[in-house]
Amino acid sequence: GQQVQQSPPASLVLQEGENAELQCTYSTTLNSMQWFYQRPGGRLVSLLYSPSWAEQRGGRLTSSAASNESRSSLHISSSQITDSGTYLCAMVKDSNYQLIWGSGTKLIIKP
Amino acid sequence: GGIITQTPKFLIGQEGQKLTLKCQQNFNHDTMYWYRQDSGKGLRLIYYSITENDLQKGDLSEGYDASREKKSSFSLTVTSAQKNEMAVFLCASSIWASAETLYFGSGTRLTVL
Repeated sequence: GQQVQQSPPASLVLQEGENAELQCTYSTTLNSMQWFYQRPGGRLVSLLYSPSWAEQRGGRLTSSAASNESRSSLHISSSQITDSGTYLCAMVKDSNYQLIWGSGTKLIIKP
Repeated sequence: GGIITQTPKFLIGQEGQKLTLKCQQNFNHDTMYWYRQDSGKGLRLIYYSITENDLQKGDLSEGYDASREKKSSFSLTVTSAQKNEMAVFLCASSIWASAETLYFGSGTRLTVL
């Protein structure tokens, strides 16, 4: 079936100030993708939405996609301790309504 | 700004019990969703609704019922709670039915004894 794989698969530990790169790869053609953030015990928050595989920017966040490689990336520049949490990607199926979710990457930023 | 409120925040039930989770949104969004989040796994869609009184099954609908009697509310019923059902249930809404920019509630954590 259709799957979304996130990497790193479990967690990523960085020092404050380093850049973070998270990736999603998918097994079928999809028409758009989103990145979400979840603080422990908190609600999921939409970070970036990328229709048509356009690069999207929001402050220190950039999402980009390489559709010919079936991959999407979220780049966080100059990471801060408050960036710690779980990042999930989700792809929109052609039929809309339904997102296919990755299992998330836990980002830990150390001082 | 709007908010999605899920109640209860924690729900403890007995195996075989029928349990209901509630969700309210004041965004005036058309579409609402119920997801299940298991530790270490991606979210899985249980039900969604594109307007009042509409219900659409997601990939994980078996064992669940849903109800959208008002535009602002969407409830989910676990018809017979099972121990492997312990998870966080997330409600979400979006302005259109295209799943762009979902807004999520803070979740209901279900524990089955």
